[in-house]
Amino acid sequence: KAGVTQTPRYLIKTRGQQVTLSCSPISGHRSVSWYQQTPGQGLQFLFEYFSETQRNKGNFPGRFSGRQFSNSRSEMNVSTLELGDSALYLCASSSGEDTGELFFGEGSRLTVL
Amino acid sequence: GNSVTQMEGPVTLSEEAFLTINCTYTATGYPSLFWYVQYPGEGLQLLLKATKADDKGSNKGFEATYRKETTSFHLEKGSVQVSDSAVYFCALSGGNSGYSTLTFGKGTMLLVSP
Repeated sequence: KAGVTQTPRYLIKTRGQQVTLSCSPISGHRSVSWYQQTPGQGLQFLFEYFSETQRNKGNFPGRFSGRQFSNSRSEMNVSTLELGDSALYLCASSSGEDTGELFFGEGSRLTVL
Repeated sequence: GNSVTQMEGPVTLSEEAFLTINCTYTATGYPSLFWYVQYPGEGLQLLLKATKADDKGSNKGFEATYRKETTSFHLEKGSVQVSDSAVYFCALSGGNSGYSTLTFGKGTMLLVSP
């Protein structure tokens, strides 16, 4: 069974640009969550989508947005990039049965210059 | 709100030493507790979990017991190996945030030398 796939794995952007990250969940999983990982703040929850609807949202500004498609694939978008947005963005999928057991991808490492 | 506090690292051990990584939590209600592990260059993997008080989660020689009276979920292993070198994250779901969202501790890096 294929795992969670995130693309791109690495990217470099400049301040003010926008970026879109993609996540393909494990087949059959309907929930996709996004987390930001930084050395200072650790792992912070961004948002969760279930059956194309945002089910939970973390405490991030509106520049961070996401969506989920009918095939459960998800994208997240960050607009007007700031230096502090440099981070590893992790996608996780689950069955959606609220067990807390998540399956993580390897992440997309974003560097903002 | 929910929070997780775990000991800061790095924790440096010799092979076959005993490992303890402390984790305490704050949450309302009845959270589920987890340990996730992140090997270099990889995403997180679930190591073990416990869903109710006094449950013991175990996997690959690692164990942790859900202690509601002390709000703790300490990770232990009797004999570590070099291949256990990684960052370990304590996490919880439930409480204020619902069971589909995880609240993580800051992570503890473990370095095991031969």
